[in-house]
Amino acid sequence: EADIYQTPRYLVIGTGKKITLECSQTMGHDKMYWYQQDPGMELHLIHYSYGVNSTEKGDLSSESTVSRIRTEHFPLTLESARPSHTSQYLCASSEFGRGVEVGAFFGQGTRLTVV
Amino acid sequence: QQQVKQSPQSLIVQKGGISIINCAYENTAFDYFPWYQQFPGKGPALLIAIRPDVSEKKEGRFTISFNKSAKQFSLHIMDSQPGDSATYFCAASMGGYSTLTFGKGTMLLVSP
Repeated sequence: EADIYQTPRYLVIGTGKKITLECSQTMGHDKMYWYQQDPGMELHLIHYSYGVNSTEKGDLSSESTVSRIRTEHFPLTLESARPSHTSQYLCASSEFGRGVEVGAFFGQGTRLTVV
Repeated sequence: QQQVKQSPQSLIVQKGGISIINCAYENTAFDYFPWYQQFPGKGPALLIAIRPDVSEKKEGRFTISFNKSAKQFSLHIMDSQPGDSATYFCAASMGGYSTLTFGKGTMLLVSP
């Protein structure tokens, strides 16, 4: 069982509020990701990180920002939430090195609703 | 431009039958092909993965078949069970310094 945790699991928040979605992993993985997914739909990569102080934008343009100050922690922040941000946000981590990918481990997700 | 094309979008199989989900890729630099299983309300979970140096990998009822020349790979679920009902995603990557590229997913329903 992978140890990657996301909080909160569910969040309903008003338009214009600042929110931070938390993601932590205890596996010591260098690589971490944030995906956005509507229920039953495809996964869209919005941010990723190769390690501490590394952050990159993904394929899907997002108004969110991320930071990676510690290996185990990869929070995602929305400065001003809008109804269009309503979605499920999935955090993942994977191990890399020596050119070997061992696969991404996903958290349970945060379902965000902006009203 | 979608680099990994997955089909079908949805699939209904009777209990005990074989479920087959197909993926095709374009980038010949991909060297790692995992499959993920996702139940409603959960994050995807790694199910099985293959590298292009083998043509088949089997884990229990789940088998990946890989055709390097055709740039295709598929997931076969033998003796499908209602508990296998989930969304399945194929993916591909070029190793540690690339990100996973996912297919759009296949919603599988195994009828009792």
